[in-house]
Amino acid sequence: GAVVSQHPSRVICKSGTSVKIECRSLDFQATTMFWYRQFPKKSLMLMATSNEGSKATYEQGVEKDKFLINHASLTLSTLTVTSAHPEDSSFYICSARAAGQTYEQYFGPGTRLTVT
Amino acid sequence: AQSVAQPEDQVNVAEGNPLTVKCTYSVSGNPYLFWYVQYPNRGLQFLLKYITGDNLVKGSYGFEAEFNKSQTSFHLKKPSALVSDSALYFCAVRDQAGTALIFGKGTTLSVSS
Repeated sequence: GAVVSQHPSRVICKSGTSVKIECRSLDFQATTMFWYRQFPKKSLMLMATSNEGSKATYEQGVEKDKFLINHASLTLSTLTVTSAHPEDSSFYICSARAAGQTYEQYFGPGTRLTVT
Repeated sequence: AQSVAQPEDQVNVAEGNPLTVKCTYSVSGNPYLFWYVQYPNRGLQFLLKYITGDNLVKGSYGFEAEFNKSQTSFHLKKPSALVSDSALYFCAVRDQAGTALIFGKGTTLSVSS
């Protein structure tokens, strides 16, 4: 149980285009989802927290107009990187917390974004 | 503000030897502490957590961690390392009021045969 998927696992896009990454909780309802960014051999940096049906809360320094987060249902959150640039290339990981749970977060397998 | 420190970028141990991956934290109030493992190009896998109760927490794959409030530490340990334990390990903390986890920078564990 408690499986989180991400799609795509890898994506290559050209500079200036937008790319959408999906995060799905497959067997539970996720009232809260988190988006992290991981640089090579670096820790995970929390980008934003999204609650179903609400606007995402972005961490300081994260451009909300560039990283659009939508959490329209209890099983799906999307991260759209708009007007991508090479410096946006990174590993993006989502996690989800189930309704009624306080401590557990379940992580997706990550999406490798490369912007050329 | 919450923070987590993993003072070692890399830990090297020989297979069969005990291993320790260090973690210290700073949080207001009682901490919720977690250890995760990450294999290359994969997401994070949960190992164990401390919420309350016994200071020694046992988790997946034979790992355990000891919560030490006075030293604000939560070191990850395993009595006998396996080559397959080689991976990137993250310590994370959350305070009671928070929602998201704050991660340490990670420690690469390398177990040699």
